[in-house]
Amino acid sequence: AQKVTQAQTEISVVEKEDVTLDCVYETRDTTYYLFWYKQPPSGELVFLIRRNSFDEQNEISGRYSWNFQKSTSSFNFTITASQVVDSAVYFCALSVTTKTDSWGKLQFGAGTQVVVTP
Amino acid sequence: EPEVTQTPSHQVTQMGQEVILRCVPISNHLYFYWYRQILGQKVEFLVSFYNNEISEKSEIFDDQFSVERPDGSNFTLKIRSTKLEDSAMYFCASSEGGEAFFGQGTRLTVV
Repeated sequence: AQKVTQAQTEISVVEKEDVTLDCVYETRDTTYYLFWYKQPPSGELVFLIRRNSFDEQNEISGRYSWNFQKSTSSFNFTITASQVVDSAVYFCALSVTTKTDSWGKLQFGAGTQVVVTP
Repeated sequence: EPEVTQTPSHQVTQMGQEVILRCVPISNHLYFYWYRQILGQKVEFLVSFYNNEISEKSEIFDDQFSVERPDGSNFTLKIRSTKLEDSAMYFCASSEGGEAFFGQGTRLTVV
C-alpha cells in the first residue's frame, strides 16, 4: 500500500531562518512520482515540484530546494531564508495511479504547517 | 497562465439536498480529478476521469457521488443527498499526463 508520512505537524521559525520539511513515503512500485504542494491561508493548492523515481538529483529553485533519497524513501523540502509569505501548509504527495499515462491520482501526506514570524 | 476554475467558491446547502460543484479544467488537459479536504485534514482523492468515463475512484466516492463532463469545457461533481460529513473543501484538478493543477476549491457547508 502507498503511504506518505509528514511527521512534523507544525514548524515555527523566525524570518530568515531555514526550515526543512520531512516527507517519507512507502510504495512497492518502482516507477512513481513525488510532489510538493503549498496551501496558503487562502486555501488553494499550489504545485511546487514533481520528481520521478528515477531521478535522484537534488533540485534548487530560488529559495526552495529538495532532497530526494530513495535509500531512505525520503523527499525532503528546505526553504532557505524563510519569509512571512512562506507561511502555509505544505503537502508532500505520491502518485499512486495504476494507469501508466496519468499521474494525477495523488496520495497526500497530512501536511506541515509552517509559520514564519517577522 | 492557464488555470483551473471552480464555481462557486462557497456553497451552503441543507442536509439531504443535491449539490453540483462546477469546474473548468485547463483547456488542453485530458485527465480530470476531484479531491476533498475536510477542514484541518489532508487532501483525499475522490475520482479521476478520462476519455469520458471514470478512470479510478476511491472508497469515499460512493453511490451518492457522480461526475460528468456535460460539454467540452465543464467538469462537474454531483452529490445527490448531502450529509453533514460532506462538509469540506472540494478541489478539482486537471492534467495533461503530468502533474495535476488544482483549482482554488469550493467550500461546501452542509447545515
